Amino acid sequence: KQEVTQIPAALSVPEGENLVLNCSFTDSAIYNLQWFRQDPGKGLTSLLLIQSSQREQTSGRLNASLDKSSGRSTLYIAASQPGDSATYLCAVPVGGGADGLTFGKGTHLIIQP
Amino acid sequence: EAGVAQSPRYKIIEKRQSVAFWCNPISGHATLYWYQQILGQGPKLLIQFQNNGVVDDSQLPKDRFSAERLKGVDSTLKIQPAKLEDSAVYLCASSPQGHYGYTFGSGTRLTVV
Repeated sequence: KQEVTQIPAALSVPEGENLVLNCSFTDSAIYNLQWFRQDPGKGLTSLLLIQSSQREQTSGRLNASLDKSSGRSTLYIAASQPGDSATYLCAVPVGGGADGLTFGKGTHLIIQP
Repeated sequence: EAGVAQSPRYKIIEKRQSVAFWCNPISGHATLYWYQQILGQGPKLLIQFQNNGVVDDSQLPKDRFSAERLKGVDSTLKIQPAKLEDSAVYLCASSPQGHYGYTFGSGTRLTVV
């Protein structure tokens, strides 16, 4: 059974810092990994999707990397802003040909102005 | 493009009562998912539909939970009877195919007292 772990559970940093969020998964036989953002009281928004054949994916100030063999992914946020405050979740397919996702518990990020 | 619509937004019921949630996915999205998100946890997949057929319901507690997707569009998720541990946010998501374009609704927050 696939399990996803995210470290740290919570992070508070001053505005402007670069930061890294970590995600690990137990079954490396994944065909993609996705990072989501969740704001309080709202649904999830997809940020980046990395296919298993890719090593990195970038969108603006966000960069996600994937190392399938070690079962790890990182989300790098450059020049953080207060608007980046949210919970960040990583997710991998549940497997077995279905498209459902298995999520980590998330990293609760606070960017101090 | 309209997002994934869910109702009600909030629901409070007593244990042993029944409750139903409704989801209207993005037009043209063949795949629909229901997730349960308990406070402090990542979303957990309950059921996946492809058009109006069930693809994966392995994590759905079938003794009390049921779901249907009539005509391959709207979907309802029902709990009968509810337990205290069912208190959670129930999220609906849809995608056109696979994991690209995965879009979540804002969810229904259920409190069982």
